[in-house]
Amino acid sequence: GESVGLHLPTLSVQEGDNSIINCAYSNSASDYFIWYKQESGKGPQFIIDIRSNMDKRQGQRVTVLLNKTVKHLSLQIAATQPGDSAVYFCAENMDAGKSTFGDGTTLTVKP
Amino acid sequence: DAGVTQSPTHLIKTRGQQVTLRCSPKSGHDTVSWYQQALGQGPQFIFQYYEEEERQRGNFPDRFSGHQFPNYSSELNVNALLLGDSALYLCASSSYRDRRTNEKLFFGSGTQLSVL
Repeated sequence: GESVGLHLPTLSVQEGDNSIINCAYSNSASDYFIWYKQESGKGPQFIIDIRSNMDKRQGQRVTVLLNKTVKHLSLQIAATQPGDSAVYFCAENMDAGKSTFGDGTTLTVKP
Repeated sequence: DAGVTQSPTHLIKTRGQQVTLRCSPKSGHDTVSWYQQALGQGPQFIFQYYEEEERQRGNFPDRFSGHQFPNYSSELNVNALLLGDSALYLCASSSYRDRRTNEKLFFGSGTQLSVL
C-alpha cells in the first residue's frame, strides 16, 4: 500500500551548514513527490517537487534528489538559516489532489 | 490576493457533538481537499470536492462529510465526535484544470479541534 516515511524525526544543524532530510516511499508506482514545510501554527507550504522521470531538481537554496532504485528521496537545504526551522514533510501524489504524507522531520537551526 | 482561509481557528467540543468547519479556497482555485493532522503526524487525506461533488475519499468513516458551494468554498462536518477526532483540520485548494501539470496544494492555517 501507499506509505511515505522519513528516516529521522528530528534534525539539528548549525546556522550556515547544509541540511539533508531523507524520505523513503514504498509504492514503486509513485510518480510525483512534493516537499512541504510547516511552521508552527501554519499549514504546510510547498517547497519543491519532482517527477519520477527526473533524478534531481533544484530551487532557491533547495535541491531534491530522487533515487527510484531504492525508493528514496532527499531534500537538501544549503546554508541553513534560522527561518528554515520547521517540520518538513515529503508527500506522494498518486491521484491529483490526494497526497500521502510522511510523519515529518523537525529541523532545528542553532545560531 | 487572499490565500486559503479557514474558520474558526480553534474549537472545543464534547464527545457526541457535531462540528462544522469552513474553508475558502485561494482565488482562482476550484478544488478543495480536507486533511486531518494529528499531533506529531503528517496530514491524512479525508476527501476532495470539485464541482460541488465529492471526488475522492480517504479512509475516514461516514461521520465525516462535506459540502462545496457554487463559489467553491467548502465545509467539513463531523458527527458524533470522538476524543480521537481531536486534531488540526487543514483545507487545501488547487485548480482542477491544472491537476495533471501542477499538483501542489495550497494549505490554510487550519482549525484546531479539541474534543473533551
